[in-house]
Formats: sequence, C-alpha cells, structure tokens
Amino acid sequence: EAQVTQNPRYLITVTGKKLTVTCSQNMNHEYMSWYRQDPGLGLRQIYYSMNVEVTDKGDVPEGYKVSRKEKRNFPLILESPSPNQTSLYFCASRGGSREQYFGPGTRLTVT
Amino acid sequence: DQQVKQNSPSLSVQEGRISILNCDYTNSMFDYFLWYKKYPAEGPTFLISISSIKDKNEDGRFTVFLNKSAKHLSLHIVPSQPGDSAVYFCAARQGAGKSTFGDGTTLTVKP
Repeated sequence: EAQVTQNPRYLITVTGKKLTVTCSQNMNHEYMSWYRQDPGLGLRQIYYSMNVEVTDKGDVPEGYKVSRKEKRNFPLILESPSPNQTSLYFCASRGGSREQYFGPGTRLTVT
Repeated sequence: DQQVKQNSPSLSVQEGRISILNCDYTNSMFDYFLWYKKYPAEGPTFLISISSIKDKNEDGRFTVFLNKSAKHLSLHIVPSQPGDSAVYFCAARQGAGKSTFGDGTTLTVKP
C-alpha cells in the first residue's frame, strides 16, 4: 500500500530536549516536505526537499532541521524544542503526479 | 504576505444542495492549483486540481473553476453529502516548487 508514515504520532516533551520525528514514504517520490498546522493558520511549510541531499527552507524554518540522506526518509529534527513549537506536524511526498500524499500527522506538545 | 487566502473559515449547507468554497491568490506566477480535504485526526488527502491553462476541471461531484484575471478559484460540490463535512484547503504552486496553502474552510453538510 502506497503511504507516508510518521513516528511518533503523539509526543509530549520538555523544553530543550532534542527530538526527531521520522517520515518515510514507499512511493519512490523525489519531493518531500514538512508542514505544521496551527489553529487558524492553515498548513505552513517548514522545509522541503527536491531530492536526496537537496533541502530548502519553507515559510517557517526557524528552530527546525531536516536531512535527506535517502530518498524514502525525511526526518524533522528539533534541536532545542520550545513551547511555540507545540503543533500538529505533517510530512508529505510528491512524485510525478502533481498532488502531495500526506502522513497521518504527529501531535507535538512542548512544556 | 499571505499569498493564498480562503476568506470563509466555515460554511454550512444542507444535504443535496451545492457547496461553493472560494480561494483567492496574489502570486500571478502560480500555475497549478489543488484542493485537499482533511478529516479530524487524519492527514490531508488530495481532492482535485487544475492547471492555469484551464478554467474548469470536473471529477464526479467536484468541479474546480479558475478565474486567472481575478486570481480566484472555487470548488463546487454537487450534491453535497454529510460525508463531505471536513476542512478543505486550497493550495497553489509555481512549477515544481513548494506549495502554498490557504488557512482552510470547514464545511458542514447537514442531513
């Protein structure tokens, strides 16, 4: 089954404790991206990657890092999480077709 | 500067009637537009798209209209069904680059 998976689905952590949210897709897509969704603010792009070893900032990259060492994986790294990074995070991928496929989301709470 | 705007946060319609969701954009370089639907606790899923070379695209009960001169697109759902109740996001893209999303419109279809 074609899908985008994210782990963990739920995470509660404390300020300053480094964390990684994993994202994996099994569709051999070149393009992958991360979004955060906050009430009233829609989906805002954090980082995206056009292919392996090619990443670029989206609209809200501050406080986040990403890497793309393999085509299927695109982890999101929060080196020192802060409460304003409490949000719902979505990973997505896109291949030859024009639409993105989204993961189920990761709800992160930083206290 | 929000490049993609959905000015109606919510819309309520009766089952069987038409739902019209609107989206405005400011960047004239956008050449591909998409609508996604999102249920609670799930990631967004692709619904329908339209290229800037067209003014209409139809898929079953869903039709997207594009008015380039007005920088406006709309999604029509006819007839509306209770299962269509969800958050609808409009998105726009230039070439193979990143997508920009609107804030979403919550559609409620009443039986």
